[in-house]
Amino acid sequence: KAGVTQTPRYLIKTRGQQVTLSCSPISGHRSVSWYQQTPGQGLQFLFEYFSETQRNKGNFPGRFSGRQFSNSRSEMNVSTLELGDSALYLCASSLEGSDTQYFGPGTRLTVL
Amino acid sequence: AQSVAQPEDQVNVAEGNPLTVKCTYSVSGNPYLFWYVQYPNRGLQFLLKYITGDNLVKGSYGFEAEFNKSQTSFHLKKPSALVSDSALYFCAVRGKGTAGNNRKLIWGLGTSLAVNP
Repeated sequence: KAGVTQTPRYLIKTRGQQVTLSCSPISGHRSVSWYQQTPGQGLQFLFEYFSETQRNKGNFPGRFSGRQFSNSRSEMNVSTLELGDSALYLCASSLEGSDTQYFGPGTRLTVL
Repeated sequence: AQSVAQPEDQVNVAEGNPLTVKCTYSVSGNPYLFWYVQYPNRGLQFLLKYITGDNLVKGSYGFEAEFNKSQTSFHLKKPSALVSDSALYFCAVRGKGTAGNNRKLIWGLGTSLAVNP
């Protein structure tokens, strides 16, 4: 099976812009979680989707949003970008009922 | 509140020596515990998990971890380190339950392991 894929791998944006990141989970995985990884804060949970519904949400401002499609693919959007949004954004998928998450390679976002 | 601590930012060991990467946790009830590894410019890879049963859990690439309930620890170990084990290691925990915040994984900040030839 193909692993979790994330596009794009790298993005450079300027402050105030918005960005959309995409994640395709492993086939058959209906749960998708998003994380922000920065050197100082480690992995911070953004949200989890299952069957097109947000099941869990982390402590991020409303500028961060996401959605999941019927084929389990997920997108996250960040509006009004700030310098502090520069990070590696990781997507992980899992089977329903399983605790093991499978991560994609991440999207490296740089905000200038 | 649930939390995970990885007390060492960096661990250095010589190739062939045993390695230990430490993790302690705080969670209400019985925990689910995980170790993941991240190689440069890659996503995280699952190594092993403890859900219930034997306190010694064996995982990928020769790694194992020991669950110690009294010390609330879940240290990662390997009897003989390889240079290729050099990477960033993350411990994660969540409380048992499938709804609400109990389902979220709480992550440590990571420990950078350097294995010297």
